Amino acid sequence: KNEVEQSPQNLTAQEGEFITINCSYSVGISALHWLQQHPGGGIVSLFMLSSGKKKHGRLIATINIQEKHSSLHITASHPRDSAVYICAVHTGGFKTIFGAGTRLFVKA
Amino acid sequence: NAGVTQTPKFRILKIGQSMTLQCAQDMNHNYMYWYRQDPGMGLKLIYYSVGAGITDKGEVPNGYNVSRSTTEDFPLRLELAAPSQTSVYFCASSWDYNEQFFGPGTRLTVL
Repeated sequence: KNEVEQSPQNLTAQEGEFITINCSYSVGISALHWLQQHPGGGIVSLFMLSSGKKKHGRLIATINIQEKHSSLHITASHPRDSAVYICAVHTGGFKTIFGAGTRLFVKA
Repeated sequence: NAGVTQTPKFRILKIGQSMTLQCAQDMNHNYMYWYRQDPGMGLKLIYYSVGAGITDKGEVPNGYNVSRSTTEDFPLRLELAAPSQTSVYFCASSWDYNEQFFGPGTRLTVL
């Protein structure tokens, strides 16, 4: 079993829908990172969080440390949100464990 | 600021050839990392560095070497390329062990 599991692996949504991507982990962490990888390949940082909730525009990230679970929500989804979303957990020191990613496609 | 830059963007190598993937950052970050990304898998750490002159192995270091002579540059050397090294390579840097900033990636094919 992978130490970081994301679900779903693939997600197709209609423009305007509310989207949730989940990340579960089985190790102790110092922080959790949500990243976005566009079709061109570049990786961009969305959120870094160690507790509670963060919001930026239409994106919301939450984390429950006790349950070892984080969610990334996208409100009013748009075709430009189509990307791979990656959850990564920092376990202290240099080690970062990356999930395999959730591929999101938003149809117009 | 250019952030993290990588060259080349694409490269095709023949089995047994060698090459160096270049990575540079202008954010004065101490920590730098090399990852590879294979289809359907999470990024895997190849090597990392906590400062000029200091490097260490990550999860998948075999077949690779690194050096860190300056804070800005962290090249990755592939010796005797093998088909198993076909992947997308990302360089990243950070202030501390947490939030990392990624380069645009190098897509390498070994035939």
